[in-house]
Amino acid sequence: DAGVIQSPRHEVTEMGQEVTLRCKPISGHNSLFWYRQTMMRGLELLIYFNNNVPIDDSGMPEDRFSAKMPNASFSTLKIQPSEPRDSAVYFCASSFETSGGEGELFFGEGSRLTVL
Amino acid sequence: ILNVEQSPQSLHVQEGDSTNFTCSFPSSNFYALHWYRWETAKSPEALFVMTLNGDEKKKGRISATLNTKEGYSYLYIKGSQPEDSATYLCAAASGGSNYKLTFGKGTLLTVNP
Repeated sequence: DAGVIQSPRHEVTEMGQEVTLRCKPISGHNSLFWYRQTMMRGLELLIYFNNNVPIDDSGMPEDRFSAKMPNASFSTLKIQPSEPRDSAVYFCASSFETSGGEGELFFGEGSRLTVL
Repeated sequence: ILNVEQSPQSLHVQEGDSTNFTCSFPSSNFYALHWYRWETAKSPEALFVMTLNGDEKKKGRISATLNTKEGYSYLYIKGSQPEDSATYLCAAASGGSNYKLTFGKGTLLTVNP
């Protein structure tokens, strides 16, 4: 199995530009998570999906952030417009859950975003 | 918001020492407790997932215990090796089917040869 695949691995963009991060979860997993990692806050949950349906998006910082999961094998996290404070490493993770919370997460390698 | 605390923030030990760190979480509405190992320049990898009070799990020299009534988990490393150097993260899930998995900030372990 290829594991969770994220792209791009690195992105440098200018303030105001749109950024799209992509994730392909492990085949057969039914839950997908987007986390943001910063020095100050550690790993913060932004949003998670179960069976392609967004369950909890309370961690999404503001309206500039949006996430979609159009099918079981693909998800995007979009930031529009981007700001320097969005600079962070964004991780996607997937798991197989039966009753909630007990499936171990498999993480992608992360997308390092720098907004100038 | 689920508050997951880990201590200490960082730890330096000598090769061969045994060590342990703590994860504390709210005991109400608890569902599962995860431990992950995160090496520099890599992604977090799962060590254990525990759900039952009194659970104890072991993988080689690493073991973990869980007390859901008082809201804490310990991770133990016996005979630390330099390759054990990493950040150890715990995460707690609460809320049942609409759960939320919240991570602590981790304990950075450095094992000196």
